[in-house]
Amino acid sequence: AQSVTQLGSHVSVSEGALVLLRCNYSSSVPPYLFWYVQYPNQGLQLLLKYTTGATLVKGINGFEAEFKKSETSFHLTKPSAHMSDAAEYFCAVSEGFNKFYFGSGTKLNVKP
Amino acid sequence: EAQVTQNPRYLITVTGKKLTVTCSQNMNHEYMSWYRQDPGLGLRQIYYSMNVEVTDKGDVPEGYKVSRKEKRNFPLILESPSPNQTSLYFCASSLQGSLDYGYTFGSGTRLTVV
Repeated sequence: AQSVTQLGSHVSVSEGALVLLRCNYSSSVPPYLFWYVQYPNQGLQLLLKYTTGATLVKGINGFEAEFKKSETSFHLTKPSAHMSDAAEYFCAVSEGFNKFYFGSGTKLNVKP
Repeated sequence: EAQVTQNPRYLITVTGKKLTVTCSQNMNHEYMSWYRQDPGLGLRQIYYSMNVEVTDKGDVPEGYKVSRKEKRNFPLILESPSPNQTSLYFCASSLQGSLDYGYTFGSGTRLTVV
């Protein structure tokens, strides 16, 4: 079975600083990769996804992620954090129909 | 507006009292799924449905039932709830399963079983 590892259950950055949330997966086949964001008391929203093609994927709210096959990673970045980015972020991996695995989540705190 | 609607948002119940959490989507999605979210464990799939009258177990199906009589609705049934089912539950739908499309999630149902 696939495993998805998000390094750091809590990440804290200052407003304006770089955001880096890490995600590694285990898969012997090229997966489909997703990042979701969950704001307090809300469901998960799709932030971005990698399926095929360009390995650098741009998503909503200025976030982007890069698929690195050699490192089996799909880290999420944003150059400058805003207070509104405070949320929990989930990495997810799909190997095929209904084989969809979530990481345990990373809570991002943005300090003023 | 395209959405997945869950009800209720919050529910406190007692052990053994049957309950149903409803889920409805207005996007004509074939695929629907239920997840539970627990701290440190991420989201774990309970049941999924690929279409009307087609359902199957996910990773943690014990203590839950589902049905899919109509395409838009996918209720989650707890016949005899227990305290270990206290959790945050999400319904999600997708046009063709998770491959390539990702999910649309409901806002969640926070269930407490005492």
